[in-house]
Amino acid sequence: GQQLNQSPQSMFIQEGEDVSMNCTSSSIFNTWLWYKQDPGEGPVLLIALYKAGELTSNGRLTAQFGITRKDSFLNISASIPSDVGIYFCAGETSYDKVIFGPGTSLSVIP
Amino acid sequence: EAGVAQSPRYKIIEKRQSVAFWCNPISGHATLYWYQQILGQGPKLLIQFQNNGVVDDSQLPKDRFSAERLKGVDSTLKIQPAKLEDSAVYLCASSLAAQANTGELFFGEGSRLTVL
Repeated sequence: GQQLNQSPQSMFIQEGEDVSMNCTSSSIFNTWLWYKQDPGEGPVLLIALYKAGELTSNGRLTAQFGITRKDSFLNISASIPSDVGIYFCAGETSYDKVIFGPGTSLSVIP
Repeated sequence: EAGVAQSPRYKIIEKRQSVAFWCNPISGHATLYWYQQILGQGPKLLIQFQNNGVVDDSQLPKDRFSAERLKGVDSTLKIQPAKLEDSAVYLCASSLAAQANTGELFFGEGSRLTVL
């Protein structure tokens, strides 16, 4: 079945540093998504990517939809303590089916 | 605008007992999802409804799990009988339109199940 892989599994960074995380898939997706989950909460959408090669920004976040439609990356610039959480990539297939990756846990050291 | 409501927030049961979770999606959202999130893993799709019809339930363990969405609004997810490996957070999510391909799912806070 469709499966997503994320790297790295976890990251520990200093406040102010930039962060980069990746997501790859064995399948092609119509839409790539990046969600963030805080403890005790459900995931919240950060960025959605709709076209191969698309580069989209949302404040300090930048994400790209890979040309092959099988990968994506998310960059966070100038990290702050509230960036702490788990970041999930997700792919959307036909009929709005959304598959999530295993997540990248981000810790920010003040 | 009210978000996705789920209850109960926490439930502890013994194996072989049954449990039910309830979800009220955002008003007007056609699509409703149930995900299972085991500790340290990403959410795994169990079932997807389009109004009151099932779109995908390929990963739902149908021998013990069941779900329904009567009248295309609220939904319940039931586990009977529960196993130890069912311990997880059960997340309900909804999205606005069918085949919108926006990817924007709105999640509830989840129902945390512990099976002893």
